[in-house]
Amino acid sequence: NAGVTQTPKFRILKIGQSMTLQCTQDMNHNYMYWYRQDPGMGLKLIYYSVGAGITDKGEVPNGYNVSRSTTEDFPLRLELAAPSQTSVYFCASSYVDQPQHFGDGTRLSIL
Amino acid sequence: AQSVTQLDSQVPVFEEAPVELRCNYSSSVSVYLFWYVQYPNQGLQLLLKYLSGSTLVKGINGFEAEFNKSQTSFHLRKPSVHISDTAEYFCAVTAGDNQGGKLIFGQGTELSVKP
Repeated sequence: NAGVTQTPKFRILKIGQSMTLQCTQDMNHNYMYWYRQDPGMGLKLIYYSVGAGITDKGEVPNGYNVSRSTTEDFPLRLELAAPSQTSVYFCASSYVDQPQHFGDGTRLSIL
Repeated sequence: AQSVTQLDSQVPVFEEAPVELRCNYSSSVSVYLFWYVQYPNQGLQLLLKYLSGSTLVKGINGFEAEFNKSQTSFHLRKPSVHISDTAEYFCAVTAGDNQGGKLIFGQGTELSVKP
């Protein structure tokens, strides 16, 4: 059982480049989330989805976009990378009445 | 809106000593409370959760936490720590109509267990 899988694990981008962080889950969870983790700040919610075709902004959505075309996949898109987006990104998923399961994270550096 | 404050950013402790990691929260509605652990270069793993009922909650790896509504606290404890408990610990809350809802995290507490 793979759980929540994030790819890539590491990436270095140049300022202004774009990329997509992939997240897939095999637990048939309806809820999915993207968080970013910065030192001493805990995790902040970027976007979330309560089901295929439905997404909504979290606390820090600026500079990011998401889509949810299937139950399994919830990609996070950075269109114009900025140094402030250097962070560790975590994807999570859950049923409505169960705690969230987290992936192992994507470590992103923007130089 | 909810918020979470973890009162200690770093907690150094010797092996086999007891430890308490402190967490306070604020909310105008009922909440579910969680503690997650993050080992180096890994994702977050659920330690324990409080939904309702008994205020003392037992989790994995010998950890427990006590919910105190009057103090709005949810402190994590372990009577005897091991080197392998070295990790970062996060307290989190979600507004009270489902466990799977959006999480608000504290800033994290880095637990360092020394031999």
